[in-house]
Amino acid sequence: RKEVEQDPGPFNVPEGATVAFNCTYSNSASQSFFWYRQDCRKEPKLLMSVYSSGNEDGRFTAQLNRASQYISLLIRDSKLSDSATYLCVVNPPGRGKLQFGAGTQVVVTP
Amino acid sequence: EAQVTQNPRYLITVTGKKLTVTCSQNMNHEYMSWYRQDPGLGLRQIYYSMNVEVTDKGDVPEGYKVSRKEKRNFPLILESPSPNQTSLYFCASSSGGNEQFFGPGTRLTVL
Repeated sequence: RKEVEQDPGPFNVPEGATVAFNCTYSNSASQSFFWYRQDCRKEPKLLMSVYSSGNEDGRFTAQLNRASQYISLLIRDSKLSDSATYLCVVNPPGRGKLQFGAGTQVVVTP
Repeated sequence: EAQVTQNPRYLITVTGKKLTVTCSQNMNHEYMSWYRQDPGLGLRQIYYSMNVEVTDKGDVPEGYKVSRKEKRNFPLILESPSPNQTSLYFCASSSGGNEQFFGPGTRLTVL
């Protein structure tokens, strides 16, 4: 079993719609969680950190469910520019280690 | 401009010919790391370094070496590349906290 799992998609989303997807992680002692965005084999860039209480950044909302060991990302009012692959990143115990999911592809269509 | 640079960006080589991919950051970050990205597998950590002269293996270190003689540089060395090391490589740095800043990537093909 992979340590961080994501639905690869693609999620085809009409412009203006809402899309949400999850990421599950296997190490219950993981401390911190992030969503990164990656455009077409370019470098990943931090989208947002995920806090225990859930957090929102504009049209993006991230949630953490420790009991079920998953994090989620919701995108409201999707824009064409939101088309990308979204990487789930988990920081398990042990310094220096980050684990990446394989990514969820989102395609926003006109 | 704060950035992580990698060179070369693209490289085609042959099996067994030693190569080095350089990585440099200008943000005075302590932590640096190398990843490879393959379809369906996501980013996998090869090696990381918590500071100068401190390096440790990641999840897929076989066939790779690194060094950290200076804070800003973290080269990745393939002593004898093989076709299964064909991949997209990313270097990253951080201040030990959370956000990692990635370089633009190096696309390596080993024939």
